[in-house]
Amino acid sequence: KNEVEQSPQNLTAQEGEFITINCSYSVGISALHWLQQHPGGGIVSLFMLSSGKKKHGRLIATINIQEKHSSLHITASHPRDSAVYICAPLEGKTGNQFYFGTGTSLTVIP
Amino acid sequence: EPEVTQTPSHQVTQMGQEVILRCVPISNHLYFYWYRQILGQKVEFLVSFYNNEISEKSEIFDDQFSVERPDGSNFTLKIRSTKLEDSAMYFCASRSETYHYGYTFGSGTRLTVV
Repeated sequence: KNEVEQSPQNLTAQEGEFITINCSYSVGISALHWLQQHPGGGIVSLFMLSSGKKKHGRLIATINIQEKHSSLHITASHPRDSAVYICAPLEGKTGNQFYFGTGTSLTVIP
Repeated sequence: EPEVTQTPSHQVTQMGQEVILRCVPISNHLYFYWYRQILGQKVEFLVSFYNNEISEKSEIFDDQFSVERPDGSNFTLKIRSTKLEDSAMYFCASRSETYHYGYTFGSGTRLTVV
């Protein structure tokens, strides 16, 4: 079983702030998935990364496979970024995702 | 952009009844998944499906649950004899052969067992 920990669990930020969400896991993986869950419940895939860094707009994800740790950064946060952010490691052989973090609930205040 | 479609969006059922949750994955995707999320809790893996058969299933996915791909496009989750604790959001997801392109999730079916 892969123990997935996310921190912080809840985060409130002022619009424009730089946000960091951390994810650590206990078992080696092939890649890690960052997901965004909207207040209505829908889930969107943000990043799939297996090494280094990826950037998409104001979102940046980094991963250190050896240290079993990943971070999601949001630059110049905006109220529309308010959502739950979830990390999910991908199992080595199949690329299936069996375990999910509990999520970080982000609220960005105007 | 291609979507994974789930129906219905919300289903209310009596305890003990059978429900079928439906999903239409992206047409050229090969791997299909069902997940559930009980209100306020984390997303949980139920089952993965590849090459017309179950490839992995979790402890949650017991004999009460079954999956089918009846016609090559739909992917269904059947829950027999529903219990109150089956109330949750159920998500379908699909991906291509290469997981690096990511997973696409459906918008979910909220199941309420009364």
